[in-house]
Amino acid sequence: AQSVSQHNHHVILSEAASLELGCNYSYGGTVNLFWYVQYPGQHLQLLLKYFSGDPLVKGIKGFEAEFIKSKFSFNLRKPSVQWSDTAEYFCAVKPATSGTYKYIFGTGTRLKVLA
Amino acid sequence: GAGVSQSPSNKVTEKGKDVELRCDPISGHTALYWYRQSLGQGLEFLIYFQGNSAPDKSGLPSDRFSAERTGGSVSTLTIQRTQQEDSAVYLCASSPTGQPQHFGDGTRLSIL
Repeated sequence: AQSVSQHNHHVILSEAASLELGCNYSYGGTVNLFWYVQYPGQHLQLLLKYFSGDPLVKGIKGFEAEFIKSKFSFNLRKPSVQWSDTAEYFCAVKPATSGTYKYIFGTGTRLKVLA
Repeated sequence: GAGVSQSPSNKVTEKGKDVELRCDPISGHTALYWYRQSLGQGLEFLIYFQGNSAPDKSGLPSDRFSAERTGGSVSTLTIQRTQQEDSAVYLCASSPTGQPQHFGDGTRLSIL
């Protein structure tokens, strides 16, 4: 069965530290990849997405993610985090197969940035 | 409103009762998704609507679960004969097309 693994459930960083959140998926075919973010008290929202082309994707607020097909990974990175990045981050995968709309989410990583 | 609206925000009911959850998507959004999140779990896909039709119902866990969407807008998710394992947060998301983009606050369902 298709699945998404986010190995880090809780991450605590100081401001200006670099961030990398892991995301691995299990699916042998072509996939579309996503990161979502939920800030405290707010709705879940799309952070960035990858469909094809350049495997390094840039999103909002200085976030980026790199698709490494050989590793089935789509890790989220930010060179220097801010207190306002405190949130829960979800990785999601969708098989790029016509007729399926099943976006599979990971269990999330809670990031706390200390001021 | 500006965002996806879900009601009720909280629902507590007894095992065996039926419940109906409502999602009001962003106006004009044709794509609508239902997900649920149980404690400590990721979001679990339930159903996808494109307009009024549901081309992907593969995530509905049993025949106690059903959903409909009328007028290409409001959607209701109905759970019949609720069980304790149905306790979760039920999330709705809408999008102009494609991936779930705008989520609601969810309905927290508790089955006693």
